[in-house]
Amino acid sequence: GDSVTQTEGLVTLTEGLPVMLNCTYQSTYSPFLFWYVQHLNEAPKLLLKSFTDNKRPEHQGFHATLHKSSSSFHLQKSSAQLSDSALYYCALRYTGANTGKLTFGHGTILRVHP
Amino acid sequence: EAAVTQSPRNKVTVTGGNVTLSCRQTNSHNYMYWYRQDTGHGLRLIHYSYGAGNLQIGDVPDGYKATRTTQEDFFLLLELASPSQTSLYFCASSDAWGYEQYFGPGTRLTVL
Repeated sequence: GDSVTQTEGLVTLTEGLPVMLNCTYQSTYSPFLFWYVQHLNEAPKLLLKSFTDNKRPEHQGFHATLHKSSSSFHLQKSSAQLSDSALYYCALRYTGANTGKLTFGHGTILRVHP
Repeated sequence: EAAVTQSPRNKVTVTGGNVTLSCRQTNSHNYMYWYRQDTGHGLRLIHYSYGAGNLQIGDVPDGYKATRTTQEDFFLLLELASPSQTSLYFCASSDAWGYEQYFGPGTRLTVL
């Protein structure tokens, strides 16, 4: 079945340094990939979603590129801000039958300090 | 702005107790979902539904029942609550394509 792997449980960074959160996936069919963000005491919300035409989605300075050859959808940002501290989930939905179901990774906590 | 509400926001019960968590969405979405969130496990799908009267089994359904009574309302039932069901529960909704899920604020359940 479909699965998503986020290898880092916790990433700690100094403000201003670049961010990269890893996400790899296994899927029988060509999937859509997503990043969700959850700030402390809030609900998860969508940050980015992949496109099928190799465009690079961007939002709030974050971007991610779907690499089908390596089955990856890493989240990147050039300069971390304190407000980026949150829990980040990578998720996938395959482009086959319309099940409406997302498969989430275990999440990566990003902590940005001054 | 999509709106998903949950009640209660906090609930404490005892082992063997009966609990119902409620979720309402006013987005006219087809899909609704129940997740639990636990440290080290992330978000895990319990049950979901694509319309009134429909129920689909999620990835961690044991010990949970669910019912979708209307387009707007989705309920999660724990008939014999156990301490292992202590968790933060999120409800979500999405349109027919399921690409973006909108989450409610969560219900924190403690089973003593």
